[in-house]
Amino acid sequence: GDSVTQMEGPVTLSEEAFLTINCTYTATGYPSLFWYVQYPGEGLQLLLKATKADDKGSNKGFEATYRKETTSFHLEKGSVQVSDSAVYFCALSVYNFNKFYFGSGTKLNVKP
Amino acid sequence: ETGVTQTPRHLVMGMTNKKSLKCEQHLGHNAMYWYKQSAKKPLELMFVYNFKEQTENNSVPSRFSPECPNSSHLFLHLHTLQPEDSALYLCASSQDTGDLYGYTFGSGTRLTVV
Repeated sequence: GDSVTQMEGPVTLSEEAFLTINCTYTATGYPSLFWYVQYPGEGLQLLLKATKADDKGSNKGFEATYRKETTSFHLEKGSVQVSDSAVYFCALSVYNFNKFYFGSGTKLNVKP
Repeated sequence: ETGVTQTPRHLVMGMTNKKSLKCEQHLGHNAMYWYKQSAKKPLELMFVYNFKEQTENNSVPSRFSPECPNSSHLFLHLHTLQPEDSALYLCASSQDTGDLYGYTFGSGTRLTVV
């Protein structure tokens, strides 16, 4: 069935380090892919999305490219800040089947 | 300002109490959702409403009772809860179910059952 798998955390980085959080998916149909971010004490916020293969979503310095050949949507940022500390969720939506799936979340800790 | 407003932000209730969580959106979305987020566990989808009709109930205990009077409002009525029901309850909305453009979440209600 449809699912999303993302790397387990926590991921701990120093400020200005390069970030990669891996996400792979399985899906029937043609999914859209998303990254959501949850800051402490808050709900989830849409960070970026890509609706078709080879699309690159980007926002706030974060990027992810929809790779159909590797069924991946890895999240990257060139230089993280302390304020990026949060939990990041990968997700997919399969419109024709009215389904939306979240990964288990990856906690990112950025130290000054 | 997320577009989806949940009240209250925090709630402490005894196991014999009855309380309700409220969710409101004015985004023109037709689908609304309740999720449960417990510590160290994945997000759990509880209920889905599309055009005010419940389309999904993921084996949620009957002590949780949803209500969707219109496409803008969603409630979660709580009664006779257990301590393990303590969690962050998140409401979300989307244009329709399986929205290709993503969900909009509220900030959640932090529920503690004592």
